[in-house]
Amino acid sequence: NAGVTQTPKFRILKIGQSMTLQCTQDMNHNYMYWYRQDPGMGLKLIYYSVGAGITDKGEVPNGYNVSRSTTEDFPLRLELAAPSQTSVYFCASTEVRVQSNQPQHFGDGTRLSIL
Amino acid sequence: AQKITQTQPGMFVQEKEAVTLDCTYDTSDQSYGLFWYKQPSSGEMIFLIYQGSYDEQNATEGRYSLNFQKARKSANLVISASQLGDSAMYFCAIGPYNFNKFYFGSGTKLNVKP
Repeated sequence: NAGVTQTPKFRILKIGQSMTLQCTQDMNHNYMYWYRQDPGMGLKLIYYSVGAGITDKGEVPNGYNVSRSTTEDFPLRLELAAPSQTSVYFCASTEVRVQSNQPQHFGDGTRLSIL
Repeated sequence: AQKITQTQPGMFVQEKEAVTLDCTYDTSDQSYGLFWYKQPSSGEMIFLIYQGSYDEQNATEGRYSLNFQKARKSANLVISASQLGDSAMYFCAIGPYNFNKFYFGSGTKLNVKP
C-alpha cells in the first residue's frame, strides 16, 4: 500500500537551475496538494488540484508551476531556483466526499537545498 | 482567508500525564474542518484527529481528544496518558468544507519526560 510517493527525497540545486518534484498517489484521490515547510514553521500551501486538468494557486505560489494530467500524478516545477526556495516540500492527497471527513495523506517529503 | 494560531512553541509533560496543546483560528467560512497532525523527528505528517464545525460533540480518537469551543474559535488537542513516543511537533490546521485550501499553524514542540 504505497499511498503518496514523492521523489526525490533529497536534492541540491544551484541558483537558476530548474527541476521537477514528482508526486504520485495510488488511492484514486481527487484532491492533491503541494506544501512547503520552512525550518521551524508550519506548512504553507503552494498549489492544489481538485481533479485532473484543474489546478489553482495556494498561499505561496510564486516561483512554482504545477500540472495535473492524470488523477495519480501532480508534479511541482521550479523554473529558476532561488535560495528562498530551500525548504522541505510535501505532497498530499485526499478524497472529498459529501458528508464525510477525510484527512490528507502526506508523502514523506522532498528536502531541497538551493545553493 | 483563514488563519491558525498556536501560541505554545514548546511544551514539556511528564510521562503518563495529560497535556493540552492550544489552537485558535480565524475564519469567515460558516463550514470548515479542523485537523491535528503529528510530525515526529523523522519528518512525516501523521493525521491524528478531525473536528467539523457543525459537529456537536468533541472528537475523540483513542488517547487524543479535541476540545472544540466554536464561540471562542479554539480547537485544543488533549493527549491523555502521555507516552515517550508522543514527543514530536504538533500542527493544527483549518480547511473549508470544500477542501480546497488548508492553513497550518506554526506548531508546538512537545517533549515527554520519563
